[in-house]
Amino acid sequence: DADVTQTPRNRITKTGKRIMLECSQTKGHDRMYWYRQDPGLGLRLIYYSFDVKDINKGEISDGYSVSRQAQAKFSLSLESAIPNQTALYFCATSDPSPQGSAYEQYFGPGTRLTVT
Amino acid sequence: GDSVTQMEGPVTLSEEAFLTINCTYTATGYPSLFWYVQYPGEGLQLLLKATKADDKGSNKGFEATYRKETTSFHLEKGSVQVSDSAVYFCALSPIQGAQKLVFGQGTRLTINP
Repeated sequence: DADVTQTPRNRITKTGKRIMLECSQTKGHDRMYWYRQDPGLGLRLIYYSFDVKDINKGEISDGYSVSRQAQAKFSLSLESAIPNQTALYFCATSDPSPQGSAYEQYFGPGTRLTVT
Repeated sequence: GDSVTQMEGPVTLSEEAFLTINCTYTATGYPSLFWYVQYPGEGLQLLLKATKADDKGSNKGFEATYRKETTSFHLEKGSVQVSDSAVYFCALSPIQGAQKLVFGQGTRLTINP
C-alpha cells in the first residue's frame, strides 16, 4: 500500500463550487504539505502543517484553506473554485532529519483538478 | 528570496547518450540540495541529495555535485535508458526558517530507443 494517498485522483468541477482534496499518510510523519504543479512553473507551496495545531500559509495560499484533522490527515479546500485553479495538486510529508536542514519529502500520486 | 533555476526543456536524447541537466540556485547560506524525479502519472520521488559543499549525491547511475563557488547542482548520467524518461526537478531546502522545499520549474526528459 502507498504511504501517502490522495483522493480523488481526478476531479472536474464547475466555477463557484466548493471542493475538498484529501491526503492521508501512514508514514507517521508530523509535517505535511500541499503543493500545486503548473506546466513550466514547477511546484509551488500552498499550505504546510508541522503538527495538528500548527498550520501555515505558503507562497500561494489565496483561494485555498486547509484542515489538519489528525496527524495522518491533511485536507485542502477550494471554497469557490475558479478556472485558474486548474492544476495538479500534490500532498507531501516529511520528518526532520537529525541535521535539521536536510530532509526528504514523500509525495502522494497527485490529484488532477479541472475547473470549468 | 531563495530560488532555483533549471535548464529549459524538453530534452530529447537517444538511449546510451550522456545526460546533463543544469541547475543553479540562489539562497542565503548553504542550503541542502535535491533532485526529484516524476515518472508519468506518479508523484515526485527523491532521486539524490547533497547537504554541504562538495558533497556528491548519487543514485541509479545519476550524480550531482554541490558546487558552492558556482551555486550549482547539475544532474548527470553517463548512459541514459528509455526508462529514465521523466520530469526532473531540482530543489533546495533553506538552512534557516521553516524548512520548506523550493523547486525549479522542472525539465522533461525523453529517451528514444
